[in-house]
Amino acid sequence: EAGVAQSPRYKIIEKRQSVAFWCNPISGHATLYWYQQILGQGPKLLIQFQNNGVVDDSQLPKDRFSAERLKGVDSTLKIQPAKLEDSAVYLCASSLFLAGVADTQYFGPGTRLTVL
Amino acid sequence: AQSVTQLDSQVPVFEEAPVELRCNYSSSVSVYLFWYVQYPNQGLQLLLKYLSGSTLVKGINGFEAEFNKSQTSFHLRKPSVHISDTAEYFCAVSLNTGFQKLVFGTGTRLLVSP
Repeated sequence: EAGVAQSPRYKIIEKRQSVAFWCNPISGHATLYWYQQILGQGPKLLIQFQNNGVVDDSQLPKDRFSAERLKGVDSTLKIQPAKLEDSAVYLCASSLFLAGVADTQYFGPGTRLTVL
Repeated sequence: AQSVTQLDSQVPVFEEAPVELRCNYSSSVSVYLFWYVQYPNQGLQLLLKYLSGSTLVKGINGFEAEFNKSQTSFHLRKPSVHISDTAEYFCAVSLNTGFQKLVFGTGTRLLVSP
């Protein structure tokens, strides 16, 4: 079974530029998550989708971050414009949703973003 | 709101020695508890989880954890570590409701030396 795929694996940009990350979840997983992991910290949930609807985006900086999950499969996370403090690893995860409960989250390898 | 405290940022240990990684959580309602492992340049992998029932939970790679409600702890243990266990370990908590929003601790780096 293929895991969660993410691209690119690494990205270096200048501040104020834009960047986008892509995630392909495990086939059949209705729930998709984007996390931000700053160096030395644990992952922090940015946004959670259930199919193509947003369940929780309370910690997403909406003035610069946006995310979408068209057709309830792939997802993209965009930052525009980027700031130095956005340097982090962006992790995508997915899980099944069975009988009203989200199951174990499976994580992709992440995208390491460096903002100069 | 829930929170997780991992008391040790780094734990050095010799190969074949036992290890315990500590995790304490804070929540006013019932929660689920998790331990994840992160190897260098990889995503997180679930080691084990506590949802309900027996307080001693066994996971992959010989790890186990014990849920202690009175002490609000969920410490991770392994009786004999290997070099390959060197990694970052994260404790996480979520409410026991449908949408599993994980709140992670800051992580503990386990360093196993020969």
